[in-house]
Amino acid sequence: AQSVTQPDIHITVSEGASLELRCNYSYGATPYLFWYVQSPGQGLQLLLKYFSGDTLVQGIKGFEAEFKRSQSSFNLRKPSVHWSDAAEYFCAVGAKVNTDKLIFGTGTRLQVFP
Amino acid sequence: EPEVTQTPSHQVTQMGQEVILRCVPISNHLYFYWYRQILGQKVEFLVSFYNNEISEKSEIFDDQFSVERPDGSNFTLKIRSTKLEDSAMYFCASTLGGYQETQYFGPGTRLLVL
Repeated sequence: AQSVTQPDIHITVSEGASLELRCNYSYGATPYLFWYVQSPGQGLQLLLKYFSGDTLVQGIKGFEAEFKRSQSSFNLRKPSVHWSDAAEYFCAVGAKVNTDKLIFGTGTRLQVFP
Repeated sequence: EPEVTQTPSHQVTQMGQEVILRCVPISNHLYFYWYRQILGQKVEFLVSFYNNEISEKSEIFDDQFSVERPDGSNFTLKIRSTKLEDSAMYFCASTLGGYQETQYFGPGTRLLVL
């Protein structure tokens, strides 16, 4: 069965520092992978996605993520965090066959200090 | 940019009452979804809908839940007799082509059952 693990529940960084949010997935083949961001009181906004091809994907707001098949990981990175990046970040996996539901991780709450 | 909209943004209801949550998916999209997020927990898939019928549902989606596309624009989730544990944020999502496409989420309806 598909599953997603986000091992960090809460991360705190200083503004301007680099950021890496971890995501590991379990799936029998190469899945579709997504990162969504949820600001307080808001819905889920797509940051970036990986379907196939180049394993380093660029997203909005300066985020990128790298798919590493050998590690079953899809970590989200940003070289310099802004205070407005404070939010909850969700990694999600989708299958390529039989189902189009997304399986979400438990989320990582990012706090940014000035 | 087209977006998924949901109404109401907040709803408070008494246990045992029926509620209808409304969504207007992106206009040319064909696949529709409901997810929910209980406070502090991860986003969970409820149901997917295509061509006027349910294509997949989770074990959460029991007989108390139903979905409908009553006209060409709305997509609704009905909870027939609400329970306390139905309190959650409910997200609608839509996509053009099913599992090979990005799911675009609405801002959510926060449901509180008293």
